[in-house]
Amino acid sequence: ELKVEQNPLFLSMQEGKNYTIYCNYSTTSDRLYWYRQDPGKSLESLFVLLSNGAVKQEGRLMASLDTKARLSTLHITAAVHDLSATYFCAVDGGGTSYGKLTFGQGTILTVHP
Amino acid sequence: GAGVSQTPSNKVTEKGKYVELRCDPISGHTALYWYRQSLGQGPEFLIYFQGTGAADDSGLPNDRFFAVRPEGSVSTLKIQRTERGDSAVYLCASSLVGAGLDTQYFGPGTRLTVL
Repeated sequence: ELKVEQNPLFLSMQEGKNYTIYCNYSTTSDRLYWYRQDPGKSLESLFVLLSNGAVKQEGRLMASLDTKARLSTLHITAAVHDLSATYFCAVDGGGTSYGKLTFGQGTILTVHP
Repeated sequence: GAGVSQTPSNKVTEKGKYVELRCDPISGHTALYWYRQSLGQGPEFLIYFQGTGAADDSGLPNDRFFAVRPEGSVSTLKIQRTERGDSAVYLCASSLVGAGLDTQYFGPGTRLTVL
């Protein structure tokens, strides 16, 4: 059974600082997604990572994937208040479980002055 | 263009009642997914449709849960004999199929409360 673990689960950051969220998963997969969720809202797609060594960047967020280590990271650069949200990584089961995403517990990010 | 839509946005029902939740996917998306999200948790997979057929229903918790997609577009999630433990936000997502194209786009969800 595929398991996905994120850490930290809670992250309080000062504006302007950098930090990294980690996503570990238990079985081989070639598709990993990062989503953002604001309170009371649905999930917004941020990144899709499809191969070992893949790196995607959008604004102050950068995501990477190491399929050998079964690890993805979401790096936040010079945080701003607007980045406050819950961030989820999700891994596609692949093969006969293609399309079935298993989500991590989520990381609640709070950026304060 | 229009995103995934779900109705109703909120549903309050009594234990033992039957409910139907509707999902309208993004036009042209052949794949449709249902998840449910409990407070403070990540979404949990329920079922995946490719076209009209259920490609994977391994996440449906028991036989009280059933979903259909008769024409390959709109889908309905049906819950019989609701229990308090069914209370959650039910999320629908849709996607194209194929490497690099299959990002799942989520709707706003239906918040189900079973009293």
